[in-house]
Amino acid sequence: SQKIEQNSEALNIQEGKTATLTCNYTNYSPAYLQWYRQDPGRGPVFLLLIRENEKEKRKERLKVTFDTTLKQSLFHITASQPADSATYLCALGGQNFVFGPGTRLSVLP
Amino acid sequence: DTEVTQTPKHLVMGMTNKKSLKCEQHMGHRAMYWYKQKAKKPPELMFVYSYEKLSINESVPSRFSPECPNSSLLNLHLHALQPEDSALYLCASSQRRAGYNEQFFGPGTRLTVL
Repeated sequence: SQKIEQNSEALNIQEGKTATLTCNYTNYSPAYLQWYRQDPGRGPVFLLLIRENEKEKRKERLKVTFDTTLKQSLFHITASQPADSATYLCALGGQNFVFGPGTRLSVLP
Repeated sequence: DTEVTQTPKHLVMGMTNKKSLKCEQHMGHRAMYWYKQKAKKPPELMFVYSYEKLSINESVPSRFSPECPNSSLLNLHLHALQPEDSALYLCASSQRRAGYNEQFFGPGTRLTVL
């Protein structure tokens, strides 16, 4: 059956450290993968998109990798700040579009 | 204008009521989406409109009826809902459905069915 998993439901890290979130999928063949941020009671906000033929994308303090052999994407936030605390969702796109369950990140001062 | 607006922000309705949710964007996007999101769960895709035509209906119950009057507007008509339909309903838009397009989400309508 098809499944998307994100490393953990919740992740706590210290301010200034790098947060690494994972997105693993089974029985999907996504043409691209997106990462969104969602704050409580608000709609998701797009962060980054990476295509199946790309290995890595960067935007400011954000970096995403995509390994279609491992069926995994890693999302990194460097020099994390308390303002980065939110739920981060990966989403697979292509034939269909589906969100992963999300990871709630807390950056502690 | 890079905003998707949704009205109302909150809606409480009985199981026999008929109500509508509205969504609007003025970014010239040709794909619009309705999602349902329960607490602590990811958004679930309900409907996709591409160039004002319904292209995906993810087997949603008929008590939810979408409408796309024009390329900027999206409605979701609600009738005879159940308490388990209580959720945050999100609207989103993107340049096109096909291809690699980021989605812009509205703030959502918090629906409570009594």
